[in-house]
Amino acid sequence: QSALTQPASVSGSPGQSITISCTGASSDVGTFNLVSWYQQHPGKAPKLMIYEVTNRPSGVSNRFSGSKSGNTASLTISGLQAEDEADYYCCSYARSGTLVFGGGTKLTVL
Amino acid sequence: QVHLVESGGALVQPGGSLRLSCAVSGFTFSDSYMSWIRQAPGKGPEWLSYISHSGFVTLYADSVRGRFTISRDNAKSSLYLQMDSLRAEDTAVYYCATYRDFAFGYWGQGTLVTVSS
Repeated sequence: QSALTQPASVSGSPGQSITISCTGASSDVGTFNLVSWYQQHPGKAPKLMIYEVTNRPSGVSNRFSGSKSGNTASLTISGLQAEDEADYYCCSYARSGTLVFGGGTKLTVL
Repeated sequence: QVHLVESGGALVQPGGSLRLSCAVSGFTFSDSYMSWIRQAPGKGPEWLSYISHSGFVTLYADSVRGRFTISRDNAKSSLYLQMDSLRAEDTAVYYCATYRDFAFGYWGQGTLVTVSS
C-alpha cells in the first residue's frame, strides 16, 4: 500500500486560509469517504482533527474543515492562528481493510 | 479523562524480540477497537495493526505481518504488541490509539523502540 501524497510544506499569514491536499488512489481515497486528518506538534502525539472526510471531533475548532473530490482529500484551516503551526497528516481506509497515512505537510504561520 | 500509556520500548539487537504494552483508562476498553501505529524519526505515522473489541478480529500492515502480533486483555484494560525478528527499519516511536469510525481518536504518548547492534 503506497503512502498518500501531501505537499511537503504550506504557509500562510495569521487570519488567512490555507488548504492541504492529500492524493491517493481509487483503492483508498477515491472509493471510501473514510479520510481522517491529524495535527502533530513537535514532540507530541498526533491529534485527530477530522474524520470521515468532513466530521470534526468534539472540541476541535470549526476553523478546521475537510472535503474530498475524486482521489484527493483536502484540509482547510481558516482564520490561521499561530498555534496552528504544526505537521498535518492525512489517513485513509483502503480496500484491503488497511489504513494508509500521508507523508505529512509542515504548516508554517508567517 | 482518557489516558493511554505505552511502555516496553527499549534498545534491542536486530533479530531480537520486544513486547509493548498499552494501559488505558477513562473509557470502556472492552467496547473499543484498538490499534498500533509507529512513527520513524522525521517520518509520517505508519499504521501497523488493529484488533476488535473482543480480540477475535485482527489485521496487519504488510510490513509487519508474520513478525508482529497484536493482542489485548480486557480484564486488565491493556493492549499489547509482540514484536519478533526486529529489523533496523522497525526503529520508531510506537503509539497505541483507539480506532473508531475508521480514525484514531485517542493516542498515547508513545514509546521508543530502537533496533541496533
